[in-house]
Amino acid sequence: NAGVMQNPRHLVRRRGQEARLRCSPMKGHSHVYWYRQLPEEGLKFMVYLQKENIIDESGMPKERFSAEFPKEGPSILRIQQVVRGDSAAYFCASSHFGVEQFFGPGTRLTVL
Amino acid sequence: QKEVEQDPGPLSVPEGAIVSLNCTYSNSAFQYFMWYRQYSRKGPELLMYTYSSGNKEDGRFTAQVDKSSKYISLFIRDSQPSDSATYLCAPRSNQFYFGTGTSLTVIP
Repeated sequence: NAGVMQNPRHLVRRRGQEARLRCSPMKGHSHVYWYRQLPEEGLKFMVYLQKENIIDESGMPKERFSAEFPKEGPSILRIQQVVRGDSAAYFCASSHFGVEQFFGPGTRLTVL
Repeated sequence: QKEVEQDPGPLSVPEGAIVSLNCTYSNSAFQYFMWYRQYSRKGPELLMYTYSSGNKEDGRFTAQVDKSSKYISLFIRDSQPSDSATYLCAPRSNQFYFGTGTSLTVIP
């Protein structure tokens, strides 16, 4: 049973470009969470989604960031017009009933 | 005041030592108290969690929650070099919060 998968593992973008991060939850999981981790800081919650619905986006910046979890396919975290401050590790987690969260390996975004 | 406070360490102990990792939190609505282990450049891995106050033991690991003082602890007995990692506490209710993590090194 494959774990949570994220791709790409590393992503380099220039300022102003778009970044798309993908997350495939564990089989049977319908809850997906996105977190951002900056060096020397903890994981910061961004958004919680269930299939086709955003449940809680209180941690996601209102501008340039969006997330979706379509009926078919992976969850996508999209960052438009990236800036250097967006450089971080982005982790996706999935769960079945919403208590235990299983994390993916992360996508490390570098903005030049 | 931060929702979760965790001493970042680093903490360095000899193999076989008992390790105590601690967090404090401010939100009395937290009901679940999770502990994650994160190896360098990897995703966090859930170690264990407790619901409300009390203790929970799993092998060499014991999680302890004192809701009256808003204090969370993780104890590691007979620590091993493979325990060297960053440990994150994560209390939650409907909101999700993580401590900044404590870096632990177990020296053979």
